[in-house]
Amino acid sequence: SQQGEEDPQALSIQEGENATMNCSYKTSINNLQWYRQNSGRGLVHLILIRSNEREKHSGRLRVTLDTSKKSSSLLITASRAADTASYFCATPGFSGNTPLVFGKGTRLSVIA
Amino acid sequence: DVKVTQSSRYLVKRTGEKVFLECVQDMDHENMFWYRQDPGLGLRLIYFSYDVKMKEKGDIPEGYSVSREKKERFSLILESASTNQTSMYLCASSSGTRNEQFFGPGTRLTVL
Repeated sequence: SQQGEEDPQALSIQEGENATMNCSYKTSINNLQWYRQNSGRGLVHLILIRSNEREKHSGRLRVTLDTSKKSSSLLITASRAADTASYFCATPGFSGNTPLVFGKGTRLSVIA
Repeated sequence: DVKVTQSSRYLVKRTGEKVFLECVQDMDHENMFWYRQDPGLGLRLIYFSYDVKMKEKGDIPEGYSVSREKKERFSLILESASTNQTSMYLCASSSGTRNEQFFGPGTRLTVL
C-alpha cells in the first residue's frame, strides 16, 4: 500500500529553533495530512493540505506540498519543549475507499 | 468536545487468553479503525469498518477479529493472545475515508 515516508527519523533541536520534517509519497494524492503523537498517547490531527494548495499555515506550523516532487514538509517555528513528540504524515490509499496510510514518523526532541 | 475512548490504557493478559479491546466514539462517524503501533514499524492497520456490521481486513488482520454491532462502538478481539501481540493498540474514527481521523488514547497491551 502507498505510504508516506518521513525524514529524518529523529531530530533534536534547542528551544526557539525551527524544526523541519519532510514526507515523501509514491503516487498521486488529493490531500496529505500531518499528525502529532505525544509519548504513549493517541495521534492528534494537525493540518490537512489539498493537492491544489502549495502552502498552509496554522499557528506556528507551516506545511508545504510539492506534487511534482511528491513531497511535503512540516515546519514548526520557534519550537518549545512541549513540541517534543512524533510527527506523522498520512496519505489516502490507492483507491477512494482505502483508509489513510501513515508513515513511520519523525521523532522530534526539543531541548530547553 | 469530540471524543474517542478506549476501554483500558494498560492491559496485561496471559498467552492463550481471549482479549477484548473496546472503542467508542461520540461523533456519529461512519468509519472506525484499529491500528497497532510498534517501535520502528509505525502504525499498521488491523481492521476497519465503514458501517455497522461491516468490516474489512487491513494490512495485518491475522490473529484478530472485530465486531461492530453499533455505530459508535468498534471492538477488537484477540481470540487467543500471543506474546507477539504485545503492542500499543490505537482506535480511530472519521467521517470520510480521506478525512481527518480522530484517535483514542491507546491501549498498551502486554501478553505474558
